[in-house]
Amino acid sequence: NAGVTQTPKFQVLKTGQSMTLQCAQDMNHEYMSWYRQDPGMGLRLIHYSVGAGITDQGEVPNGYNVSRSTTEDFPLRLLSAAPSQTSVYFCASKQPGQSEELFFGEGSRLTVL
Amino acid sequence: GENVEQHPSTLSVQEGDSAVIKCTYSDSASNYFPWYKQELGKRPQLIIDIRSNVGEKKDQRIAVTLNKTAKHFSLHITETQPEDSAVYFCAASRNFNKFYFGSGTKLNVKP
Repeated sequence: NAGVTQTPKFQVLKTGQSMTLQCAQDMNHEYMSWYRQDPGMGLRLIHYSVGAGITDQGEVPNGYNVSRSTTEDFPLRLLSAAPSQTSVYFCASKQPGQSEELFFGEGSRLTVL
Repeated sequence: GENVEQHPSTLSVQEGDSAVIKCTYSDSASNYFPWYKQELGKRPQLIIDIRSNVGEKKDQRIAVTLNKTAKHFSLHITETQPEDSAVYFCAASRNFNKFYFGSGTKLNVKP
């Protein structure tokens, strides 16, 4: 099993550009989520999904969109990137009921100029 | 929403000593408290967790204690080793869907 796979690992954008961070998991986990990690601020939840077709907002959802059309994939979209969105983004998944452990991807470092 | 505060932000100990990291939370309905370890440039990984119906949990050199009345929980690492050097994050959740993380503690274990 590959676990949680994120692409790309690095990305540089200009202000106003759009992009999608991809996240895929092969563990058949129902729950998937996106976090951003900024220095001194820990991990902050952006959006999460408890299953295909179901998404909800986290702590810092503004400027980000998500969708969940399949169990395996949970892409994060930035429609108009801003410098404040410069961060490291982590996707995480878990299977409720078995364990509440979040399995994280390797992270995607995004810089918005 | 929940507010999780974590202290200290940095901690330096000598190899073999104990390390304690403390977190407080604001939502009395929170009932799940995991701890994650993140090595430099790596992804966070769960090291131990505790639910609100338990006051203490141990796993070899690692233990977590929970005081629901005071709304704080702590991570204890005994006999620290250089490979324990990392950033540690506490978190709290009331429904296992939204997880609120502390700001992290950078632990440095000096050989």
